[in-house]
Amino acid sequence: DGGITQSPKYLFRKEGQNVTLSCEQNLNHDAMYWYRQDPGQGLRLIYYSQIVNDFQKGDIAEGYSVSREKKESFPLTVTSAQKNPTAFYLCASSKDRGDSYEQYFGPGTRLTVT
Amino acid sequence: DAKTTQPPSMDCAEGRAANLPCNHSTISGNEYVYWYRQIHSQGPQYIIHGLKNNETNEMASLIITEDRKSSTLILPHATLRDTAVYYCIVRVASWAGGTSYGKLTFGQGTILTVHP
Repeated sequence: DGGITQSPKYLFRKEGQNVTLSCEQNLNHDAMYWYRQDPGQGLRLIYYSQIVNDFQKGDIAEGYSVSREKKESFPLTVTSAQKNPTAFYLCASSKDRGDSYEQYFGPGTRLTVT
Repeated sequence: DAKTTQPPSMDCAEGRAANLPCNHSTISGNEYVYWYRQIHSQGPQYIIHGLKNNETNEMASLIITEDRKSSTLILPHATLRDTAVYYCIVRVASWAGGTSYGKLTFGQGTILTVHP
């Protein structure tokens, strides 16, 4: 089955530690995205990538970093510089950034930092 | 991208049509309307999108007013599994020079509750 996988589903970290969230897709999509969702809120874009070895900041990139070394993988690192890292993180992909291509979302990773 | 306004919550009886409104009074001619939904604690799911014509697919219908200032998502026969948060999103078309690069700006959406 084609789709997007995110692991783990739940992640717990101590404050001050960097943590990397995994996102893999086997849909052969060019574009990939990372969103953050806080309770009762909509999604906010952190980073996006249109092709391998290229990525752009979204609306709330501070305290996060990404890489896109392979088409199918787009890991997100939440650094210790992120002031409020506890949130639900969602990865998505689309065939490209065109208007008719829907974004497919993964199941999300719920990160708790204490 | 234009701002959207949706009611915070709506109810619908199972088997009846659910009509979810969205106001986008500042929309411009080169902006699409997209609908996604998010079932609790899952990733959002694409439903439908349109520019100015009404659209229908296996999940829903999208009715856009002639002046394009508002739209309605119609789920023709709602089921309990349609209970979710529904997001209406407006985005500049890439062919119009939109620099959103596929970015979707999610508001708070409408919580649709389908009851037996």
